[in-house]
Amino acid sequence: QVQLQESGPGLVKPSETLSLTCTVSGGSVSISNYYWNWIRQAPGKGLEWIGYIYDDGATNYNPSLKSRVTIWMDTSKNQFSLRLRSVTAADTATYYCARETAVVTNWGQGTLVTV
Amino acid sequence: QLVLTQSPSASASLGASVKLTCTLSSGHSTYAIAWHQQQAAKGPRFLMRLNSDGSHNKGDGIPERFSVSRSGADRYLTISSLQSEDEGDYYCQTWGTGIHWVFGGGTKLTVL
Repeated sequence: QVQLQESGPGLVKPSETLSLTCTVSGGSVSISNYYWNWIRQAPGKGLEWIGYIYDDGATNYNPSLKSRVTIWMDTSKNQFSLRLRSVTAADTATYYCARETAVVTNWGQGTLVTV
Repeated sequence: QLVLTQSPSASASLGASVKLTCTLSSGHSTYAIAWHQQQAAKGPRFLMRLNSDGSHNKGDGIPERFSVSRSGADRYLTISSLQSEDEGDYYCQTWGTGIHWVFGGGTKLTVL
């Protein structure tokens, strides 16, 4: 069974860069036709999709965050990562990674990042 | 614009059934959706996907008490034999073009 685990600093200063990594176990990030997503949830709010990286390396980002976001994959470590630049207090949220196949989605447990 | 609308709250008694609704915006009534459950202080959990052709896919370990259906632009998640652990937030999600995942605002389910 695939498992995803987010990791990274829990505290980031305003104007700096937020960097998180999602480590995948029980499955390979190189498998075809899977989307590897990042989603966030501000305290007490709903879910917001940030972006994904596809198995061929193609990326797609939420237009509201596109100018500040980068997602990339490290197949040697079976990980994919998120970078969000120039953060403000509005970026304080729990960040989740998720694997999306054609039929199911698997979520990580999330990590809280405070700006 | 692709929008998913959910009632902010719902409640039902222990052992009863509840039907949660997610409504697709005009012009998007054929879209597939997924349902995700979020228990208090936990991350989301994928429940089920309702495809455009009416078929569905369930997540691993999701009880048979959870089922999905549709009517027009409405998508339903029915939970039967409600248990205390079913309490939490339920989000519907669909797939857009500019935004890959579009979420509804969520329904907070209270089990009485």
